[in-house]
Amino acid sequence: NAGVTQTPKFRVLKTGQSMTLLCAQDMNHEYMYWYRQDPGMGLRLIHYSVGEGTTAKGEVPDGYNVSRLKKQNFLLGLESAAPSQTSVYFCASSFARSDRRETQYFGPGTRLLVL
Amino acid sequence: GENVEQHPSTLSVQEGDSAVIKCTYSDSASNYFPWYKQELGKGPQLIIDIRSNVGEKKDQRIAVTLNKTAKHFSLHITETQPEDSAVYFCAASPSDYKLSFGAGTTVTVRA
Repeated sequence: NAGVTQTPKFRVLKTGQSMTLLCAQDMNHEYMYWYRQDPGMGLRLIHYSVGEGTTAKGEVPDGYNVSRLKKQNFLLGLESAAPSQTSVYFCASSFARSDRRETQYFGPGTRLLVL
Repeated sequence: GENVEQHPSTLSVQEGDSAVIKCTYSDSASNYFPWYKQELGKGPQLIIDIRSNVGEKKDQRIAVTLNKTAKHFSLHITETQPEDSAVYFCAASPSDYKLSFGAGTTVTVRA
């Protein structure tokens, strides 16, 4: 049971380049999330998904797109990278319950540097 | 939306002493408050959580208290050890799947 995995671990992009970050979970979780972590700002939600084929915007969605074609995978895309998108990106997943909050499990992160 | 403030941003304690981190939140509808620990180079990991129908919860050396009237909650770590050195995040949940995080506290335990 690998939990939540992220690919790649580290990437350097030039301004204007595109890339896709992959998140995979093997816990059969319904919900999946993408966060970015910047110094002094905690974790901010970019996009999330409450099930296969569904996505929604979080707190800071501009410049990112996501897709959830399979329940276990959640992709984060940057179509035209900007230096402001230099950050550490974390994926998380959780079960869905109607009566209580559930623990979010985080991946190890992807460090992205945009030059 | 929910706004979570966390203090202090850095905390240095002597091994064996206690550490306290405090958070405030703005949305009175929030009713779930988890704490995450992030070690260097790793993703955050849940260490304890509390729900709004409980005022205090303890798990070995860590405890969390919640004051819903004042909209603040705190993490207490007793008998600190070197392995407690990490970044700690508080969070509040105003909905059934979203978390709003504080800015984090870097805790250093001095031997």
